[in-house]
Amino acid sequence: KNEVEQSPQNLTAQEGEFITINCSYSVGISALHWLQQHPGGGIVSLFMLSSGKKKHGRLIATINIQEKHSSLHITASHPRDSAVYICAVYLTGNQFYFGTGTSLTVIP
Amino acid sequence: DTGVSQNPRHKITKRGQNVTFRCDPISEHNRLYWYRQTLGQGPEFLTYFQNEAQLEKSRLLSDRFSAERPKGSFSTLEIQRTEQGDSAMYLCASSLHGGTYEQYFGPGTRLTVT
Repeated sequence: KNEVEQSPQNLTAQEGEFITINCSYSVGISALHWLQQHPGGGIVSLFMLSSGKKKHGRLIATINIQEKHSSLHITASHPRDSAVYICAVYLTGNQFYFGTGTSLTVIP
Repeated sequence: DTGVSQNPRHKITKRGQNVTFRCDPISEHNRLYWYRQTLGQGPEFLTYFQNEAQLEKSRLLSDRFSAERPKGSFSTLEIQRTEQGDSAMYLCASSLHGGTYEQYFGPGTRLTVT
């Protein structure tokens, strides 16, 4: 069993659509990290959060600690948003686990 | 600062050879992490350092793998007697202990063992 589950695994959207990617985890965490990985491997940090909601441009991340769930939303999606989105959770004691990622393709 | 850098970006080697990768973290970051990522999977933790001390190693890190961070700055990851199953992307990340846990990733080294 994975400590971190993401859904969906693959997502195709039309340009302009509102997109939601979900992350559920089974353990108590200190923080949760949303990452973006483009083809070729580079990983970029999007958000680090331990409660509530954060917004950056067209991206919004929310977390519900009680329900052990986080969502990443993309508004007005664009083909350049096509990437793999990875959720990672940080436990106390310096343990961390990564989800397998959600592959997003935005079609013009 | 130019972020986390890794060298080489690509490495092709024959089975049985030894390979060494280098990671240069963001200069003020005292934590450095190594991960391995295979196609379609998220990164898997291998090991991490706080300054020069290696604080944790995954059971994935067999005795053919060794990592060092001798001066608390750059780190090397060596794989001895490479096997085809070692083919993967090796990612390095750094963070500031006492900060927000946020890790900054390098571009990775893609290893192909033939």
